[in-house]
Amino acid sequence: QKEVEQNSGPLSVPEGAIASLNCTYSDRVSQSFFWYRQYSGKSPELIMSIYSNGDKEDGRFTAQLNKASQYVSLLIRDSQPSDSATYLCAVNGGGSQGNLIFGKGTKLSVKP
Amino acid sequence: EPEVTQTPSHQVTQMGQEVILRCVPISNHLYFYWYRQILGQKVEFLVSFYNNEISEKSEIFDDQFSVERPDGSNFTLKIRSTKLEDSAMYFCASSSLLYEQYFGPGTRLTVT
Repeated sequence: QKEVEQNSGPLSVPEGAIASLNCTYSDRVSQSFFWYRQYSGKSPELIMSIYSNGDKEDGRFTAQLNKASQYVSLLIRDSQPSDSATYLCAVNGGGSQGNLIFGKGTKLSVKP
Repeated sequence: EPEVTQTPSHQVTQMGQEVILRCVPISNHLYFYWYRQILGQKVEFLVSFYNNEISEKSEIFDDQFSVERPDGSNFTLKIRSTKLEDSAMYFCASSSLLYEQYFGPGTRLTVT
């Protein structure tokens, strides 16, 4: 059974701080990793993808991947109240057509 | 910016009835997916579709479910005889390659 694990939170950070979200996965053959943001009652919104070890930066977001440790993280710099949402880690299931396995998500709350 | 659309946004049906959920993927995308999310739970993969056939399906996607691409734009999920436990948000997603998947707004299915 392939699993993606996340701390459910809530993670509370003050406005302007760095939020750090973590995810581990069980399947060593996974090659593609994604972070989605999901506001309450809405659909997942893709914010970052990462495919190779190291860091990938996009604006205020940095994704970090360590395949040896089976660990992927998301850093949000200068957190804003509008970043308050549930962040879903997703890993490709290794199938031929790219189905995603999702974690339960970490709820982030950014306090003004 | 192109986006995935889904109709209806909310469907209420009685147990045992058939429902069809509709999706219009992003126009140049080749891979199509259905996921569901039961309230408070993780997003779960149902089925992937490529080149007019199912490429992968999960254990959830049993004989009660079917998918179809009846024309060049629509992608549908049919549940033949709904059960109470089918109540969930159903998300359609599409991707141009086997990687970044973009989700539609979802259909909330309520089975009474």
